Amino acid sequence: NAGVTQTPKFRVLKTGQSMTLLCAQDMNHEYMYWYRQDPGMGLRLIHYSVGEGTTAKGEVPDGYNVSRLKKQNFLLGLESAAPSQTSVYFCASSYAVEVDSGANVLTFGAGSRLTVL
Amino acid sequence: LAKTTQPISMDSYEGQEVNITCSHNNIATNDYITWYQQFPSQGPRFIIQGYKTKVTNEVASLFIPADRKSSTLSLPRVSLSDTAVYYCLVGDLEEAGTALIFGKGTTLSVSS
Repeated sequence: NAGVTQTPKFRVLKTGQSMTLLCAQDMNHEYMYWYRQDPGMGLRLIHYSVGEGTTAKGEVPDGYNVSRLKKQNFLLGLESAAPSQTSVYFCASSYAVEVDSGANVLTFGAGSRLTVL
Repeated sequence: LAKTTQPISMDSYEGQEVNITCSHNNIATNDYITWYQQFPSQGPRFIIQGYKTKVTNEVASLFIPADRKSSTLSLPRVSLSDTAVYYCLVGDLEEAGTALIFGKGTTLSVSS
């Protein structure tokens, strides 16, 4: 049981290049999230999805696009990378049950470190 | 969703009990409280969750007063390996899959 897997783990881009980060979960979770974390900072929500085919904006969505074509995958795209998007990106997934069973407990991936030059 | 406020940092020594308080003055009836721990270069991991009163697991205890406007994460007898950032998160039971917004977290430093 792999949990949440992020690909790639590291990537260096030049300004203006595009790329896609892949998040895959094997827990049949309904909800998936993309966060970014800058050095010494907390996590900021970029986009999230409450089910296959649905996405929604988080706190800092500008410059990113997402897609959830399959329940187990959540893709984060950067169409034209900028140095301000240098960060560590974390994907998470969850499902909502009662509090006693773990309401919307997030399972995180190991992170993808992106550097934009 | 209710915003959360935590101390930026705390220091402790090995063997001491550490209490980290999170303020969530605008918590709603359907909101629950979850705490996460994050080590450097890793994703956060779940510690404990609760709705009211006290919850205890093998790692920590969570105390929630009757008005639920704050919650306290209690770590008994901390060790050096408990040095991490701790996040308090408030989520809505009724609105599954909503945006889960993290606060800035509390950096706990444990010394020998």
